[in-house]
Amino acid sequence: DAGVIQSPRHEVTEMGQEVTLRCKPISGHDYLFWYRQTMMRGLELLIYFNNNVPIDDSGMPEDRFSAKMPNASFSTLKIQPSEPRDSAVYFCASSFGGTVMNTEAFFGQGTRLTVV
Amino acid sequence: DAKTTQPNSMESNEEEPVHLPCNHSTISGTDYIHWYRQLPSQGPEYVIHGLTSNVNNRMASLAIAEDRKSSTLILHRATLRDAAVYYCIRSSNTGKLIFGQGTTLQVKP
Repeated sequence: DAGVIQSPRHEVTEMGQEVTLRCKPISGHDYLFWYRQTMMRGLELLIYFNNNVPIDDSGMPEDRFSAKMPNASFSTLKIQPSEPRDSAVYFCASSFGGTVMNTEAFFGQGTRLTVV
Repeated sequence: DAKTTQPNSMESNEEEPVHLPCNHSTISGTDYIHWYRQLPSQGPEYVIHGLTSNVNNRMASLAIAEDRKSSTLILHRATLRDAAVYYCIRSSNTGKLIFGQGTTLQVKP
């Protein structure tokens, strides 16, 4: 397997524009996570899915952020409208198992988002 | 949410062992201890995890205290490629992995 695939790797957009980040988890994995990383706040869990269903979105910063997982092989994180403070590296991760407590999560290479 | 305490930074010499400590004094009986590391400009990668017994794999060893309130990640021979941020994570029954600030490991030649 090619691992967790995220696209694009880099995104530069203007404030107010809609941004869509994409993630393809490892085939067969049933958990998918979206994280955001900044220097100030470190790695923050935004939302995670189990079997395509959102389980916990308490980390989503505000209504401008939304995430979907229409099928087991694809997820999106959308920001609309984007703001400069959304600039960060966004990671997607996936894992397999009834619980992630005894499994490892695999991370993608991340999408570096810059909002100007 | 799940909390662990790690030193902000540590230094090691190349080819020497490194012991990275982590405190998780409020850990519950079913929480696993996970270690991940993040190399510069990359996503986090899994290192090792355990529940009660010490664990070994090709990357590292994990020593868990008998009371489970602390653990130590052991890199047996540090290389320059081991320079990274190491995260100690206490997974909860929610299934979430909550990252703290981690320990930045510097390896000197």
